Parts: sequence; C-alpha cells; structure tokens
Amino acid sequence: GQSLEQPSEVTAVEGAIVQINCTYQTSGFYGLSWYQQHDGGAPTFLSYNALDGLEETGRFSSFLSRSDSYGYLLLQELQMKDSASYFCAVDWNTGRRALTFGSGTRLQVQP
Amino acid sequence: NAGVTQTPKFQVLKTGQSMTLQCAQDMNHNSMYWYRQDPGMGLRLIYYSASEGTTDKGEVPNGYNVSRLNKREFSLRLESAAPSQTSVYFCASSVGTSYEQYFGPGTRLTVT
Repeated sequence: GQSLEQPSEVTAVEGAIVQINCTYQTSGFYGLSWYQQHDGGAPTFLSYNALDGLEETGRFSSFLSRSDSYGYLLLQELQMKDSASYFCAVDWNTGRRALTFGSGTRLQVQP
Repeated sequence: NAGVTQTPKFQVLKTGQSMTLQCAQDMNHNSMYWYRQDPGMGLRLIYYSASEGTTDKGEVPNGYNVSRLNKREFSLRLESAAPSQTSVYFCASSVGTSYEQYFGPGTRLTVT
C-alpha cells in the first residue's frame, strides 16, 4: 500500500542537529514534502524534494533517495521554537493527485 | 491577503446533527482540500477539488459531502454527525495539484 513511516518522537538539545527520517513503501511518486506544525496550529510547508539529493533552506535541509525508499529532514542549530511536529508527505503519481501524510514526528528541543 | 480562512473555529454537535464547515482562500489557487487530523495522527484527506467545478474523494470520504462553490470557496458538510467524526478539520489550497499547500487555522469539532 501507500504508506509513510516516521519515528513518533525525537528529543534534542538547543544548538544541536537532528535528523527526522521518513520511509515509504512504493516508488511511484512525484516528490517528498515536509511540513511543520506547532501545537494547536496549522501545518506549514518547509521543503520539497522532486529529485534525489539534498535541498537546503536556511537551517533546514531535506534529502531524498528513491533507490533507498527514504528521505529525511535535517534541522541544524536547533532553537526552542523548533519544538513542533514534523510531517513528511508524498505526492503519489498514481490515482489522485493529492498528498498522503505520514503520522508525524514530535520534536522536543530541550535547553 | 488573509490566505486560507475557516469558519467556525470551534463547534460542538450532538450525534445526528448536521453542519457545514466553510473555507475560503484569496490566493487565486485552483486546488482546494479538506483534511481531518485526529490526536497524535497525521492528516487524512477527506475530499479535494483540483479545479472549480470538480471534486474527488480522498482516503476517508464516508459521512461527508463537499461543494466547490466557486474558485475561492470549498465547503464540507456533515449530514448526520457521529462521535467518530470528532476531529480537527483543516482546509488547504494550492496553485495546482501541488506539493506546497497552504492551510487554514482549522475547525475543532466535537460530536457528543
């Protein structure tokens, strides 16, 4: 089936680097997106990988490897405000053109 | 530029009642979506509209109906609410069938 797997929780300290992984089961998709959601808030778009490799946007980077069926979001120089849930999402290229989201990784940044 | 707006922000319904959740966007986006998010879960697509005049089912359409009223507005209707529909409902829009979606603030619905 079309599913995405993410760790449920990750904890890191302020100033550190953290990697949030996302693995998927099928290969037919256009790209992998990442969204951030603070408690009680709406999801906001962070990054997108259409091709294999690394995309960098400030302190955040995202990586995709289609051959390994996996991607990750890398957060550098962690700040307290980065405490949030992070979701990977795939735009499948079969059937409907809409995103399927993973269940999310809750990141807690500690001082 | 308000982005994506949703009304109401909070709602409590009794089982069997009906209601319509409203969503509007002012970004001239073609595609609009309705998702539900249950506690500790990701977003699940209920319905989407790739363009004005078209609607399609998502992963969890049962118990819901939608109307794409015009390019700006996309409403979600619960005809007979059930406790299993207690959730946070998010509306989103995108330029095309796009990976970059813009979300509204959500409607927190409780069905008792």
